[in-house]
Amino acid sequence: AQTVTQSQPEMSVQEAETVTLSCTYDTSENNYYLFWYKQPPSRQMILVIRQEAYKQQNATENRFSVNFQKAAKSFSLKISDSQLGDTAMYFCAFMKHAGGANNLFFGTGTRLTVIP
Amino acid sequence: GAVVSQHPSWVICKSGTSVKIECRSLDFQATTMFWYRQFPKQSLMLMATSNEGSKATYEQGVEKDKFLINHASLTLSTLTVTSAHPEDSSFYICSARSPSTTSYEQYFGPGTRLTVT
Repeated sequence: AQTVTQSQPEMSVQEAETVTLSCTYDTSENNYYLFWYKQPPSRQMILVIRQEAYKQQNATENRFSVNFQKAAKSFSLKISDSQLGDTAMYFCAFMKHAGGANNLFFGTGTRLTVIP
Repeated sequence: GAVVSQHPSWVICKSGTSVKIECRSLDFQATTMFWYRQFPKQSLMLMATSNEGSKATYEQGVEKDKFLINHASLTLSTLTVTSAHPEDSSFYICSARSPSTTSYEQYFGPGTRLTVT
């Protein structure tokens, strides 16, 4: 079974500063995907960034980047130049690479508040 | 981009009644749809996986006779909460996957807030 752990229930960051959200996971799979989703107050789930486990290079999407450590099963999200619109719940998620229905397994979430 | 809608966005029903929630893929055909449940300040928990034209696969602990899922077409899946009780009050989210996209892509609907009084 896959488990995803987010040890930081809440975090805050000053506007324009950088913040890192932690995520660890447990799996026996070798090929899989990892994701960070954002859920703003509207409750709409928004994909922030994804990482394929077979890729060593860390994924980057504008101000968002990840630090993927496969051996340590760690997948942290760094948000640079934080903006007020980044205030949201952030969920780390895991998906098997192939086979089955490709279910997403979510962590418990981190509530991020960007302070003006 | 791919858009998924849910209807209604919120619903209030009386205990003992049934309520249906629709999930539609607006601009793509979804062979697989997923139904999640989210309690306040908690994570999304997968309830079931719905494949077009076949029976849904329910996660352990989810009562299939209480949460009826129908995926009758490539653009529509429905979740019916039967004989609803106050403990069924929650936020229900669907997502959809298209076979034409990469296997990891899931597109989420905006969610439905159910309140059972």
